[in-house]
Amino acid sequence: GQQVMQIPQYQHVQEGEDFTTYCNSSTTLSNIQWYKQRPGGHPVFLIQLVKSGEVKKQKRLTFQFGEAKKNSSLHITATQTTDVGTYFCAVKAGNQGGKLIFGQGTELSVKP
Amino acid sequence: KAGVTQTPRYLIKTRGQQVTLSCSPISGHRSVSWYQQTPGQGLQFLFEYFSETQRNKGNFPGRFSGRQFSNSRSEMNVSTLELGDSALYLCASSWGQAFSDYEQYFGPGTRLTVT
Repeated sequence: GQQVMQIPQYQHVQEGEDFTTYCNSSTTLSNIQWYKQRPGGHPVFLIQLVKSGEVKKQKRLTFQFGEAKKNSSLHITATQTTDVGTYFCAVKAGNQGGKLIFGQGTELSVKP
Repeated sequence: KAGVTQTPRYLIKTRGQQVTLSCSPISGHRSVSWYQQTPGQGLQFLFEYFSETQRNKGNFPGRFSGRQFSNSRSEMNVSTLELGDSALYLCASSWGQAFSDYEQYFGPGTRLTVT
């Protein structure tokens, strides 16, 4: 079935450093969503990418969808302690209606 | 607008028992999905309901079941609980027709501990 690999699993950065997490699929994706889950919290939707090569920005966050629509990345510039949490990508599971498959997530810790 | 609510927030059960979890979606949302989150397996899809019909199902045993009511509220039931069922159960709602084309709004989850 549909799988999506997300790397790295953990990332520890000093406040002010940049951070990137990647999602990769062996098959072409119709779209990809990104979520953030704070420690002890629940996933919160960040963005959805649909078009090949799409780039979207939200303040210090930059989201990219690969040209082949098989990979995506989330880049955070100059991390802050408020960025701490786990970032997940989620993709539609083939033709299985609305079923979403989540990546394993990248846990980001930021040292002040 | 009120967010997704889940009850109870915490639950402790014994092996062999059954449990029912409840989810109230955001007003107007017709799609409700359930996920199991564990440290080892991450977020795993259980099932999705739309207009009282199960539209998708994940790879979980038949002990896991759910339903949706006419007001879009949903319940999930786990029978004959096993230790491995200990997890955070998350409910998410969405506008729905093309489910994954809309963002999902997650509830705070129900933390289930099976002893």
